[in-house]
Amino acid sequence: ETGVTQSPTHLIKTRGQQVTLRCSSQSGHNTVSWYQQALGQGPQFIFQYYREEENGRGNFPPRFSGLQFPNYSSELNVNALELDDSALYLCASSPSTAYNSPLHFGNGTRLTVT
Amino acid sequence: QKEVEQDPGPLSVPEGAIVSLNCTYSNSAFQYFMWYRQYSRKGPELLMYTYSSGNKEDGRFTAQVDKSSKYISLFIRDSQPSDSATYLCAMSARAGTTGFQKLVFGTGTRLLVSP
Repeated sequence: ETGVTQSPTHLIKTRGQQVTLRCSSQSGHNTVSWYQQALGQGPQFIFQYYREEENGRGNFPPRFSGLQFPNYSSELNVNALELDDSALYLCASSPSTAYNSPLHFGNGTRLTVT
Repeated sequence: QKEVEQDPGPLSVPEGAIVSLNCTYSNSAFQYFMWYRQYSRKGPELLMYTYSSGNKEDGRFTAQVDKSSKYISLFIRDSQPSDSATYLCAMSARAGTTGFQKLVFGTGTRLLVSP
């Protein structure tokens, strides 16, 4: 069984640029969620994708957007990068959107904005 | 006030000790409680999950939920140096009309187990 994989592992961008992060979900999982983890903090929910549509969003501005593809893989796009966007971005997959569906995380993409 | 409060530590214990990690929460709608372990430069790994008040045991780990006090705990018996990591509590409630899942995490407690 293949777990959640994310790419790239590290990324350095300049303020104002745009970035795309990628995620392949665990086999058999049709739901993908994205979380942002700042240094020394717990992960914060960005949004969740199911059936190629966003079906829930946390307190993040519209410059954070995403996609889900027919094979359930997903992308997170961030436009107009700000210094505070520097964080570990985690992708998690689950077998359903139910509130009690266990989330399995990838190892994340470490984004540094200078 | 944060929805979920967790002492960041670090918590330092000798090998073999019993470790107690705790979280408190304010949202009575939370129904599903999880503990994740996160090693440095890795993603969170699901350790245990539970729905109801009471205890759930899995090997050296015991998860405890007290909904009346809005308090959850994770106990680690016979702690090992390999248990040194950050432990995150997380919880969720039914959210939104579409029923999407949103986990709310604590800040994590850093645990150091010395040989």
